[in-house]
Amino acid sequence: RKEVEQDPGPFNVPEGATVAFNCTYSNSASQSFFWYRQDCRKEPKLLMSVYSSGNEDGRFTAQLNRASQYISLLIRDSKLSDSATYLCVVIHSASKIIFGSGTRLSIRP
Amino acid sequence: DAGVIQSPRHEVTEMGQEVTLRCKPISGHNSLFWYRQTMMRGLELLIYFNNNVPIDDSGMPEDRFSAKMPNASFSTLKIQPSEPRDSAVYFCASSPQGANTEAFFGQGTRLTVV
Repeated sequence: RKEVEQDPGPFNVPEGATVAFNCTYSNSASQSFFWYRQDCRKEPKLLMSVYSSGNEDGRFTAQLNRASQYISLLIRDSKLSDSATYLCVVIHSASKIIFGSGTRLSIRP
Repeated sequence: DAGVIQSPRHEVTEMGQEVTLRCKPISGHNSLFWYRQTMMRGLELLIYFNNNVPIDDSGMPEDRFSAKMPNASFSTLKIQPSEPRDSAVYFCASSPQGANTEAFFGQGTRLTVV
């Protein structure tokens, strides 16, 4: 079993739809969690950190479920510009950084 | 502000040649990371420096790979000798305070070994 797993997608949804995807992790001692966004042939960029209490940034909501060992990302009112690959990141310790393989999202007009 | 700067952006080399990738982190950041990204394996951490000191190099694939950080503003990743399976995009990233804070990525070096 991979340490961090994501559904590769692609998720193909119409503009304006709400879409959500999860990322599961195997190490219960994991400490920090992030969502990054990567556009085609570009570098990853931080989308948002994931806090225990959940956090929201505009149309984006991230949540952490420690009991079931997953994090989630919800995108409301999706835009064409949201089309990208979304990478979850799980950090076990100061140097154990694991990126998920990414979920591809495609928003259609 | 200048972000993380990597060079070259693209490198094509013949199998057996030495390849050196370069990275200039964001000024003031004390942590630097080298990653490799392929379709098959995704994004993998190769090595992590903190205050110019290698903290974890367990992701370095084999002895052909080496990384240095002689000062706070410069790091290199060297592959000698290179092999076709080393073909990938190599990213350098830096963060202000260790692995638990946001990492800022450079634009990457696309390496092709033929």
